[in-house]
Amino acid sequence: GAGVSQSPRYKVAKRGQDVALRCDPISGHVSLFWYQQALGQGPEFLTYFQNEAQLDKSGLPSDRFFAERPEGSVSTLKIQRTQQEDSAVYLCASSPGTGASYEQYFGPGTRLTVT
Amino acid sequence: GENVEQHPSTLSVQEGDSAVIKCTYSDSASNYFPWYKQELGKRPQLIIDIRSNVGEKKDQRIAVTLNKTAKHFSLHITETQPEDSAVYFCAASPGFQKLVFGTGTRLLVSP
Repeated sequence: GAGVSQSPRYKVAKRGQDVALRCDPISGHVSLFWYQQALGQGPEFLTYFQNEAQLDKSGLPSDRFFAERPEGSVSTLKIQRTQQEDSAVYLCASSPGTGASYEQYFGPGTRLTVT
Repeated sequence: GENVEQHPSTLSVQEGDSAVIKCTYSDSASNYFPWYKQELGKRPQLIIDIRSNVGEKKDQRIAVTLNKTAKHFSLHITETQPEDSAVYFCAASPGFQKLVFGTGTRLLVSP
């Protein structure tokens, strides 16, 4: 079946521009996560949704970062007034999140470069 | 919050040898421990996971062990092959929610 998809795969933004990154989770997955992966590092948690409810946003680095999942399916991560330190790969993961199945499956990521 | 340490940062083995990667975690509430393999430019792929009520789990050439008392868990790969070359990440999750990742181990398997 279809896995997690993300778009765009690559995004170049000039410092100060706003960007929107999209995640399409596996159909029926209740939980959705966003992670940030800097070059040579492990993914770092940003935020977590259960259906449309954002249950944890403790990893968002500043108020320039905003995420939503209005209908409990597709999610968008928005970064306002991008800075060079925002350059990273943004990974989305989804999980059944119910019963006995909590595995997280990752999308291919969006590589954001801020110039 | 949870903190995960991973060793070694790089590991070079000959094809056919075994490889072991070790992780420690700090939060006793963590109850789910997955391992991911990430090839260059690709997404992390779940290769095996273990829950806190299990001490060991095996899947073909891959096994994971968990010691809750010592708060450490390990990945064991036997009969390594060149296609096992990648970066491996361990992670810990309190409550089956967010994953806290280790810093990664670059495994190189030479033919």
